[in-house]
Amino acid sequence: GDSVTQMEGPVTLSEEAFLTINCTYTATGYPSLFWYVQYPGEGLQLLLKATKADDKGSNKGFEATYRKETTSFHLEKGSVQVSDSAVYFCAPGGPDKLIFGTGTRLQVFP
Amino acid sequence: DADVTQTPRNRITKTGKRIMLECSQTKGHDRMYWYRQDPGLGLRLIYYSFDVKDINKGEISDGYSVSRQAQAKFSLSLESAIPNQTALYFCATSDDRASSYNEQFFGPGTRLTVL
Repeated sequence: GDSVTQMEGPVTLSEEAFLTINCTYTATGYPSLFWYVQYPGEGLQLLLKATKADDKGSNKGFEATYRKETTSFHLEKGSVQVSDSAVYFCAPGGPDKLIFGTGTRLQVFP
Repeated sequence: DADVTQTPRNRITKTGKRIMLECSQTKGHDRMYWYRQDPGLGLRLIYYSFDVKDINKGEISDGYSVSRQAQAKFSLSLESAIPNQTALYFCATSDDRASSYNEQFFGPGTRLTVL
């Protein structure tokens, strides 16, 4: 069945450091790909998405590129802020539902 | 603002009790979902519904049941709660017209503790 693997956390960074959170997936066909973010005490919210190969999703300084050849959708940000501290979920999705990764906790310190 | 709300936000109950978690949305979405979140396991799908007459089991439906009372309301029940159902429960919705993109909107969650 479809599945997703993302790097374990926590990822601990200093403010202004570069961030990469790896995500790879297995799926039948070509799913849409999503990153969701969960801030402390809140539900998940969509961060960015890409719907076809080579698409780049971006939002709030975060980017991820749909790599069909490596079945990956790694999340990157050039300069993280303390306010980016949250749990990040990679999620490939077909027409019916999403498959969520286990989440990667990011902690950014001043 | 159009929103997804969940009640209660926190609940402590005892083993064997029946519990209902409620979800309401004002987004006008047809699709609704129930997930549970456990540390280290991410989100797992319990049930989902694409309209009032459609109910589907997810990955971990055993021990749970649902009711779609209206387009805007989707309730999750634990008929006889057990301690390993202690978790954070989320309701989510999505727009059927954009189903190929599957962008889901989440409620704030219900923290359930079963003693």
